[in-house]
Amino acid sequence: AQSVAQPEDQVNVAEGNPLTVKCTYSVSGNPYLFWYVQYPNRGLQFLLKYITGDNLVKGSYGFEAEFNKSQTSFHLKKPSALVSDSALYFCAVRDRGSTLGRLYFGRGTQLTVWP
Amino acid sequence: DADVTQTPRNRITKTGKRIMLECSQTKGHDRMYWYRQDPGLGLRLIYYSFDVKDINKGEISDGYSVSRQAQAKFSLSLESAIPNQTALYFCATSDPNPGQGALGSYNEQFFGPGTRLTVL
Repeated sequence: AQSVAQPEDQVNVAEGNPLTVKCTYSVSGNPYLFWYVQYPNRGLQFLLKYITGDNLVKGSYGFEAEFNKSQTSFHLKKPSALVSDSALYFCAVRDRGSTLGRLYFGRGTQLTVWP
Repeated sequence: DADVTQTPRNRITKTGKRIMLECSQTKGHDRMYWYRQDPGLGLRLIYYSFDVKDINKGEISDGYSVSRQAQAKFSLSLESAIPNQTALYFCATSDPNPGQGALGSYNEQFFGPGTRLTVL
C-alpha cells in the first residue's frame, strides 16, 4: 500500500534561517514524489517533483528536495526562509508502476517563518 | 490555478439536503479528481475519472457520487448531506505524458481554489 508520512505538524523557523520539512513514504514499487504548497484560502500549488535522475530536485520559489531511496525520504528544503514561505506544505507519492496515476498525500506540515 | 474553477466557493446547507459541487477546467486534461481536506488529515481522494467513460472510487467515496459530463466538467454530489461531510473540497486535473503511454502519468496535478462546505 502507498502512504506518506509528514512527522511534523508544525515547523517554525526564523527568517533567513534554513528550513526543512520532512517527508517519508512507502510504496510497493519505485516512487514518483511531489511537494505542494497551500496558502490560506487557496488551492494547492505544485512546487517540485522527483521522477528520475538527480536525487536533488529544484523547484519553485527557491525550494529543493532530496530523494533518498535508502531512507525512503523526500525532505523539502530551502537555504534561507522568507516570511512569505509561511503556508501548509503537502508531500505526495504515487507508485511508478501503477496505471491508476493517483496520488497519496501526507497530512501536511504548517510552516511558520517569523520575522 | 485559474484554469481549474470550482463553484460554489462557499456553501452552507442543512442535513439531508442534496448538494452538487461543480468543477470545470480549460487545461484540456483527461484526468480529473475530487478530494476533501480536513484539518490534520491532509487530502483524501473521493473519486477520480480518467475520461468521460471512466470513473473510479477513491478511498472515501461513501456518501458521494460523481458525474463526468464532458472532458472539462466533473461534478461531485452529496445525495443527503450530513455534518461530517463538512470540509474543504478540491477538484484537480492532470494529463499523462503522451510519450509514456498508460504508465506515463507522472505529471503533477493542478488544483482548483476549493469549495468550503458546511453541513449544519
